[in-house]
Amino acid sequence: EAQVTQNPRYLITVTGKKLTVTCSQNMNHEYMSWYRQDPGLGLRQIYYSMNVEVTDKGDVPEGYKVSRKEKRNFPLILESPSPNQTSLYFCASSEDRGRPFDYGYTFGSGTRLTVV
Amino acid sequence: LAKTTQPISMDSYEGQEVNITCSHNNIATNDYITWYQQFPSQGPRFIIQGYKTKVTNEVASLFIPADRKSSTLSLPRVSLSDTAVYYCLVGAWDTGNQFYFGTGTSLTVIP
Repeated sequence: EAQVTQNPRYLITVTGKKLTVTCSQNMNHEYMSWYRQDPGLGLRQIYYSMNVEVTDKGDVPEGYKVSRKEKRNFPLILESPSPNQTSLYFCASSEDRGRPFDYGYTFGSGTRLTVV
Repeated sequence: LAKTTQPISMDSYEGQEVNITCSHNNIATNDYITWYQQFPSQGPRFIIQGYKTKVTNEVASLFIPADRKSSTLSLPRVSLSDTAVYYCLVGAWDTGNQFYFGTGTSLTVIP
């Protein structure tokens, strides 16, 4: 089944303890992206990647890192999490042909992170 | 990066047609308009995409006027399962793939 898999689904951690949220897609998509969703603020893009070894900042990149060493994986790294990073995180992927297509982004099921 | 404006919430009775309008005054020539649906605690799901005029698929229609400064998502004969948040996105597929989601429209379908 074509999908984007995020792990873990739920995570509670303490301030300052480094963590990684994994994201993997099995559709050979070039493009991957991370979003965070907060009440009243909708989905905001954190980082995106056009292809392997190519990443760029989205709207809210502060406090986050990403890497794209393989096409299928795009982990989100919080080096020193803080309570304001408590949020629902989504990973998404899509093909990138430089032209539109009919099915848009495929999203993962989300990771609910709580930083205490 | 073109931003969008949508109503915060809408209510509709089951079986009615629902139209959700999105404003995007700063849309660029290369931008496409895409709509997503999101249920609580799930990732958004692609509904429909268009550039101009009208696009229709098995779940919705998208109407885009000639000036492209707005668009309307039309959901025919909604059911309770259509209760969700609907996002209008505007962006270009050939320039960094950055799409702005905004806060969306929360649609509640009433029995």
